[in-house]
Amino acid sequence: DTAVSQTPKYLVTQMGNDKSIKCEQNLGHDTMYWYKQDSKKFLKIMFSYNNKELIINETVPNRFSPKSPDKAHLNLHINSLELGDSAVYFCASSQRLAGAGETQYFGPGTRLLVL
Amino acid sequence: AQTVTQSQPEMSVQEAETVTLSCTYDTSESDYYLFWYKQPPSRQMILVIRQEAYKQQNATENRFSVNFQKAAKSFSLKISDSQLGDAAMYFCAYRRGNTDKLIFGTGTRLQVFP
Repeated sequence: DTAVSQTPKYLVTQMGNDKSIKCEQNLGHDTMYWYKQDSKKFLKIMFSYNNKELIINETVPNRFSPKSPDKAHLNLHINSLELGDSAVYFCASSQRLAGAGETQYFGPGTRLLVL
Repeated sequence: AQTVTQSQPEMSVQEAETVTLSCTYDTSESDYYLFWYKQPPSRQMILVIRQEAYKQQNATENRFSVNFQKAAKSFSLKISDSQLGDAAMYFCAYRRGNTDKLIFGTGTRLQVFP
C-alpha cells in the first residue's frame, strides 16, 4: 500500500506542451508539497499546501500551477514546457502539529524529460 | 538564510564496516529539526533518521545514528555494519521549527563494496 503515490512515473514531452503530474497520499496528512530535483540531484521545494490552502510558493514561474482538490491530492500542472523543466518532481506529505510541520514522506518521483 | 552543506560528494565503505557522512548547517534559529534522507537508485526518498534541536540525546535508528553537535552546527550520520543495500545518495535536511520548508544539502553518494 503506497503511502504517497505519483502518476506518471515517467513523462516525455515536447517543448511548449502542457502536462500534469498527479499526487495522492493515503496517510491522512493535511499538508502536501512539490519538490524539484535537478540533474545535479539538488532538491528544492516548490510549493506546499495545507488543507487545500497555498502556504509556500518558492519563486516558481507562473507556468507551474499546483491544484489541490482535497487534502489527499495535490496535482502539478505545467504550461508551455521548457527544456529547463526537465527534472524529477517529488510529491511529499506531512501532518502539521500546532503550526509546525512534521516529518515529510515522499512519493516515488516523476521523471520529466522535455525534448 | 539557512543553508545545509554536505562537503563529501562521494564516500565509499566496505561491507560490515562503519562510515560517517558529514553535514553542517547555518542558522540563527533555536527551534529546528534535522533529517537524513536516503535516495537509492529507485529514486524513492526514504527517511533515515530525524533529530529535534532541543533534544541533547543523539537519535538512533538501528544501524543508523547521528552525532548532533548543536554549538558546532554539525549533524553527521554514522552507518554501522554497512550493507550493500545502504548504497544510495544521502541527503541532509533542515527545517525551521514553525515552518514546513525543508532545506536540503547537495547530497553524498555512498558506495558499499563487498
